[in-house]
Amino acid sequence: DAKTTQPPSMDCAEGRAANLPCNHSTISGNEYVYWYRQIHSQGPQYIIHGLKNNETNEMASLIITEDRKSSTLILPHATLRDTAVYYCIVSNEGGKLIFGQGTELSVKP
Amino acid sequence: KAGVTQTPRYLIKTRGQQVTLSCSPISGHRSVSWYQQTPGQGLQFLFEYFSETQRNKGNFPGRFSGRQFSNSRSEMNVSTLELGDSALYLCASSLRGRADTQYFGPGTRLTVL
Repeated sequence: DAKTTQPPSMDCAEGRAANLPCNHSTISGNEYVYWYRQIHSQGPQYIIHGLKNNETNEMASLIITEDRKSSTLILPHATLRDTAVYYCIVSNEGGKLIFGQGTELSVKP
Repeated sequence: KAGVTQTPRYLIKTRGQQVTLSCSPISGHRSVSWYQQTPGQGLQFLFEYFSETQRNKGNFPGRFSGRQFSNSRSEMNVSTLELGDSALYLCASSLRGRADTQYFGPGTRLTVL
């Protein structure tokens, strides 16, 4: 079973920041938090991952709480092309990704 | 660099038949993972191969099997097809099997009638 809980859907205005929350209260010490997204009819795409420090790359920022029980993915300036299902995954870096139901993000003009 | 390719892209089979799907990973990648995606169950992990050996396996019946060749190309086979096997089958490749570097293909849409 997936170890994460995400809201099923969210809306965001184009150009604004999209903040996607994820709860992972049973995360263990050697498990990372990964974010992937899936745009309709395409394969999932890796976005970012982190262990305990906040991370930023060209796509997004990942904020992990100090107790590591939750995290937030931030898309700083959402565009219509960011409309997708976003998956938060907890894994120990192996090749096995356990996807939950994800959050369907709709970016609206 | 070419991405992950999957063939065929679409397939229609009838119950009881068997099917083989193919995945060609990104050049140099040694890990190939397979996933099944259905509207009801979402994305579910099937198995992972690394250097021709199955390294991880999900909770699927023995009708689902796979293999990996020396060139890292992988095939998955489903025998005795059931209606519930209708799904999008996704393959992902990775250099070493790390979760953060998995690149997904476009998938094979299987319809079982």
